[in-house]
Amino acid sequence: SQKIEQNSEALNIQEGKTATLTCNYTNYSPAYLQWYRQDPGRGPVFLLLIRENEKEKRKERLKVTFDTTLKQSLFHITASQPADSATYLCALISGNNRLAFGKGNQVVVIP
Amino acid sequence: NAGVTQTPKFQVLKTGQSMTLQCAQDMNHNSMYWYRQDPGMGLRLIYYSASEGTTDKGEVPNGYNVSRLNKREFSLRLESAAPSQTSVYFCASGDVAGGYNEQFFGPGTRLTVL
Repeated sequence: SQKIEQNSEALNIQEGKTATLTCNYTNYSPAYLQWYRQDPGRGPVFLLLIRENEKEKRKERLKVTFDTTLKQSLFHITASQPADSATYLCALISGNNRLAFGKGNQVVVIP
Repeated sequence: NAGVTQTPKFQVLKTGQSMTLQCAQDMNHNSMYWYRQDPGMGLRLIYYSASEGTTDKGEVPNGYNVSRLNKREFSLRLESAAPSQTSVYFCASGDVAGGYNEQFFGPGTRLTVL
C-alpha cells in the first residue's frame, strides 16, 4: 500500500540551530514533492516544491532535498527562530493530479 | 484578494442533522478540493473537482456530497451528520496547468457532531 511517513514526535530545537525533518514514501513515483507549513487553527500554506530531477531546492532559510532512490525528502530550516514553530507537511502528487499528504511533523524552536 | 474563503468557521450539529459547508476562491483556479483533518490522521481528501462541471471521489467520500456551483464555488454537504464526521474541514484550490498543483487552503471549518 502507499504510505507517506513523517516523524510523529515533535522536534524541539534551540534557536539558531538547523532543524531537519524527514519525509519517506512507499509505492509512489512522484514527479515532484511539496512542503507545507501549518500553524495551529490555520490551513496549510505552501512553502516549496522540488522536482524529481532536482537534488536540492532553497528558499531563504529553507532547504529541501529529494532522493528518488531512497524515496526520501529532507526539509531543513537553518538558523531556526521561534517564529518557525509550526507543523510541516510533505505532500506527493498522486493519481489524477491529486496530492497525498503526510501527517506532519511539529517543530518547536526554543528561545 | 481574499484567496480561499470558507463558511462557517465553527458549527455544532446533532446526529442526523444536515448542513452545507461553503467554499469560494478568487484566484481563477480550475481545481478545488475538500479535505478533512483529524488528529493523528493527517489531511485526507474527501472530494475534488478538477474543473468546473466535474467532481470525483477522494479517499474518504462516504457520507458526503459536493457541488461545483461555478468556477469559484465548491460546496460540501453532509446529508445526515454522524459523530464520526467531527473534524476540521479544509477547502483548497489549485491549478495544475503548470503541472505542479500548488494548493491554496482556506481557514477551515471546525465541525462537531454530537
